[in-house]
Amino acid sequence: QKEVEQNSGPLSVPEGAIASLNCTYSDRVSQSFFWYRQYSGKSPELIMSIYSNGDKEDGRFTAQLNKASQYVSLLIRDSQPSDSATYLCAVNFGNEKLTFGTGTRLTIIP
Amino acid sequence: DAGVIQSPRHEVTEMGQEVTLRCKPISGHNSLFWYRQTMMRGLELLIYFNNNVPIDDSGMPEDRFSAKMPNASFSTLKIQPSEPRDSAVYFCASSSTTGVSNQPQHFGDGTRLSIL
Repeated sequence: QKEVEQNSGPLSVPEGAIASLNCTYSDRVSQSFFWYRQYSGKSPELIMSIYSNGDKEDGRFTAQLNKASQYVSLLIRDSQPSDSATYLCAVNFGNEKLTFGTGTRLTIIP
Repeated sequence: DAGVIQSPRHEVTEMGQEVTLRCKPISGHNSLFWYRQTMMRGLELLIYFNNNVPIDDSGMPEDRFSAKMPNASFSTLKIQPSEPRDSAVYFCASSSTTGVSNQPQHFGDGTRLSIL
């Protein structure tokens, strides 16, 4: 069974620091990887997608992919209280479906 | 551009009643997904459609659940009869897929369902 695993947290990070969120997945043939942010009571919101090994930067967010080690991470620089949310890792294992991790709850401490 | 539109936003009904949730995907998207989210089980895929055809309904919990997609711009998820354990937030998402998908899914605001 294809799985996506995340540390459920909570992860607490001081404001202004770097928050590091990690995700591992079970299948080497995975094609595409996504990070979603979900505020309490809201729907998941896409914040990053990554398809090839290496880093992809978008503003304060950097996604890192290592297919050989089967992990994908999300770094949030200069963390803000508004970054406090649950972050969901999602992996496409080669069809139209996404498999989601259970999410990591991030709290930014002012 | 309009995103995925779900209705109703909230539904409270008594056990045994029929519940119908509705979804309008993003125009031009050809895949539609129904999810259920609870604290205990997280985000679960119930069923998905590609070009209006159901592809995988292995996540549908039991025969009380059914879903249809009569055209490219509308889908329903029906629960009949409803039970208290069906209480959850139900999300609809859509994406544009061609063969092996590289496109992300975009979520609607969800329907918060409470069965008393």
